[in-house]
Amino acid sequence: QQQVKQSPQSLIVQKGGISIINCAYENTAFDYFPWYQQFPGKGPALLIAIRPDVSEKKEGRFTISFNKSAKQFSLHIMDSQPGDSATYFCAATELSTGANNLFFGTGTRLTVIP
Amino acid sequence: NAGVTQTPKFRILKIGQSMTLQCTQDMNHNYMYWYRQDPGMGLKLIYYSVGAGITDKGEVPNGYNVSRSTTEDFPLRLELAAPSQTSVYFCASSPHSGGPYEQYFGPGTRLTVT
Repeated sequence: QQQVKQSPQSLIVQKGGISIINCAYENTAFDYFPWYQQFPGKGPALLIAIRPDVSEKKEGRFTISFNKSAKQFSLHIMDSQPGDSATYFCAATELSTGANNLFFGTGTRLTVIP
Repeated sequence: NAGVTQTPKFRILKIGQSMTLQCTQDMNHNYMYWYRQDPGMGLKLIYYSVGAGITDKGEVPNGYNVSRSTTEDFPLRLELAAPSQTSVYFCASSPHSGGPYEQYFGPGTRLTVT
């Protein structure tokens, strides 16, 4: 079964708007939550990540919000730009296993309209 | 520094044929991974390796085999290709355990089995 659930499947936002992608998980042993960005024809690349000991992490226009009690986390892209058009994957892993195996969400295809 | 390279980029196989997907990294990473990406399903881990001579199964290992004789190379073998193995395959690597460490992905191999 899908260990990490992601929504929406696709998202269209006007330039300058806020893009919000949501993820939820069940395994409370997960302790590292990265977001990967993938452009067409390329492999995913790490965008931003969070540990559950903080509720928010911001890097430039990208912010992760984390709700440990609800087992949910979300990616907010402020002032969305056409260059942000890509597929975004949330993921989770349990670092104590040592293997750093990632469980990915199903992805969100973001389109930012100029 | 080429990062993670994968060959071939594209391949069409007939049912029952076999092939090896090649993956090489030049970052001296201990950890390497193989994922498959299907539309609307995100990325699923097939096999991973924590070092030369050590491999283990991921979420979807059936129909695949791997070996890790050197730190640099992590080939994925399909023995009897089936249409269900039509997918995009990504290889990734990351530094040693203890993380969290970023996974660096290759450009992918698009495989079609007909």
